[in-house]
Amino acid sequence: AQSVTQLGSHVSVSEGALVLLRCNYSSSVPPYLFWYVQYPNQGLQLLLKYTTGATLVKGINGFEAEFKKSETSFHLTKPSAHMSDAAEYFCAVSQSDSNYQLIWGAGTKLIIKP
Amino acid sequence: DAMVIQNPRYQVTQFGKPVTLSCSQTLNHNVMYWYQQKSSQAPKLLFHYYDKDFNNEADTPDNFQSRRPNTSFCFLDIRSPGLGDAAMYLCATSRDRWLEQDSYEQYFGPGTRLTVT
Repeated sequence: AQSVTQLGSHVSVSEGALVLLRCNYSSSVPPYLFWYVQYPNQGLQLLLKYTTGATLVKGINGFEAEFKKSETSFHLTKPSAHMSDAAEYFCAVSQSDSNYQLIWGAGTKLIIKP
Repeated sequence: DAMVIQNPRYQVTQFGKPVTLSCSQTLNHNVMYWYQQKSSQAPKLLFHYYDKDFNNEADTPDNFQSRRPNTSFCFLDIRSPGLGDAAMYLCATSRDRWLEQDSYEQYFGPGTRLTVT
């Protein structure tokens, strides 16, 4: 069965520091990969996605992620954290032959220290 | 702007009193989803519609029902809410992936936070 693992339920970084949120997946067929962000009492907003092509994908708000097939990873990074980045981040996987379902990671809460 | 709209944003209901949550979209997407999200957890899919074709998840309680009268609207009915049904309910949409390549992402509404007293 497919699964998504996000390492660390909480990640704390200082403002201006590098943000690294980890996501590993298991999939028997080429996956489509997503990162979503959720601010308190809000819905989920797509940050970026990988479907095919270039393995380094850029998203909104200065975030990017790299698909590494050999490591089955899709880690999210941002060079310099802002206070406004404090939110919950979810990694999700969909398979090209799936029935529209997304398999979700448990989420990582990003805390920004002033 | 094209979007997914959920009303109300906050809903309070009494234990056992039926409640309906609504979702509308201006994206003209074929597929609509209802998720339940509890605090600090990932969204849990309850069901989805492909056009009018209803798809229930195996572990969705019978207490949860849904209607999709047309492309734009979808409703979530909770027939007899229990305290355990207090959660954020998220509506989402997506395009028909069999017609459009690279169309797998889902677009979410702002959610309705349900409180059961």
